[in-house]
Amino acid sequence: SYELTQPLSVSVALGQTATITCGGHNIGRKTVHWYQLKPGQAPGLVIYRDTNRPSGIPERFSGSNSGNTATLTISRAQAGDEADYYCQVWDNNADVFGGGTKLTVL
Amino acid sequence: DVQLVESGGALVKTGGSLTLSCAASGFTFPDAWMTWVRQVPGKGLQWVGRLKSRTDGGTADYAASVKGRFTISRDDVKKTLYLHMSSLTTEDTALYYCSSALTVSGVLIPDVRGHWGRGTAVTVSS
Repeated sequence: SYELTQPLSVSVALGQTATITCGGHNIGRKTVHWYQLKPGQAPGLVIYRDTNRPSGIPERFSGSNSGNTATLTISRAQAGDEADYYCQVWDNNADVFGGGTKLTVL
Repeated sequence: DVQLVESGGALVKTGGSLTLSCAASGFTFPDAWMTWVRQVPGKGLQWVGRLKSRTDGGTADYAASVKGRFTISRDDVKKTLYLHMSSLTTEDTALYYCSSALTVSGVLIPDVRGHWGRGTAVTVSS
């Protein structure tokens, strides 16, 4: 079965740029989506189809996907961005999620 | 605004059964493809299964770990999604989310979980 690999944690200084990676075999041939999870809240979609932002998501959030790595980039990180982030693809008639990355804003 | 509200989570014994509900509002529920995703405490997200809209066939797909034990159904009049769970094991202990597939300008993007509820907790204990 297809596997997605994310770093367990990423730290970023307030106002700086955070990069969260999602690795998978030839993931560049798939479309990748990213979700934000905060405790006690409904998960939220932040990037879909590699690079697209849903309405309401600030331009500070961007995505890319090539080769064996997809990337979520959060520019000018804010305290409110602190959350768990998951990548997801659709493969073999099922969602496949990465293990999740905890983003800490210092 | 789109709202998804899960309910029905409980403490159940191993081997038992439970049905979760997800009440939907703010969108055309009959046209939506709906998905259940769970999060085991302290771990990541795990796909449970998906149910297409009736107009798109109304079929369901399930994760291997729940196939034959879980059934997803829908009541389009009540705008409610269900997850019927049986033969529960401790490995089914999780927070269960329902989600709807993303639509953009009326176009369905079925592989994207556009909206989510806050989840309902299921604990399976012996």
